[in-house]
Amino acid sequence: NAGVTQTPKFRILKIGQSMTLQCTQDMNHNYMYWYRQDPGMGLKLIYYSVGAGITDKGEVPNGYNVSRSTTEDFPLRLELAAPSQTSVYFCASSEGRITQETQYFGPGTRLLVL
Amino acid sequence: GDSVTQMEGPVTLSEEACLTINCTYTATGYPSLFWYVQYPGEGLQLLLKATKADDKGSNKGFEATYRKETTSFHLEKGSVQVSDSAVYFCALLSQGGSEKLVFGKGTKLTVNP
Repeated sequence: NAGVTQTPKFRILKIGQSMTLQCTQDMNHNYMYWYRQDPGMGLKLIYYSVGAGITDKGEVPNGYNVSRSTTEDFPLRLELAAPSQTSVYFCASSEGRITQETQYFGPGTRLLVL
Repeated sequence: GDSVTQMEGPVTLSEEACLTINCTYTATGYPSLFWYVQYPGEGLQLLLKATKADDKGSNKGFEATYRKETTSFHLEKGSVQVSDSAVYFCALLSQGGSEKLVFGKGTKLTVNP
């Protein structure tokens, strides 16, 4: 099983550039999440989705956009990259609510904005 | 707002030593509590969870008990192995239907042979 896959693994962006972080899961999970992890800190939720066509803001949504057109894919868009967005980004998925179902994480995308 | 406080790391132990990583929380009502583990270069994995007071979560020799009276969820293991070296995160999910996990800063554990 591939599980949750993320691309790219690493990317350097210049200030003001845009990019899309890809996330795909092959477990037919309804719930998907995007987190960022800053050095020495815990993860913070950016956006999440409880099904295709439905997205909701997390704790730190500013500067990001998401879409969920299919069950499998949940891309994260950065429109105008800023140094404050330098972080490691993790995508995750679960079959249902976190209290009932296990959340599976991808390997992460390391982003450096210079 | 809701928050999680973990003991500062790093923690270095010898193999077969006892482990305790402290975690306390601030939240209204009765949150669900989680411990996640992150091995080097990987994403997080759920280690254990507890969804109501006095519940004990356990997995791979690790245990944690949800203590409402002390708002704590300390992680314990009686005998650690080198393979337990990782970063451990405590997290909570508030009551109310949201999927917004709140994480602590993490505690790095290194186990030496």
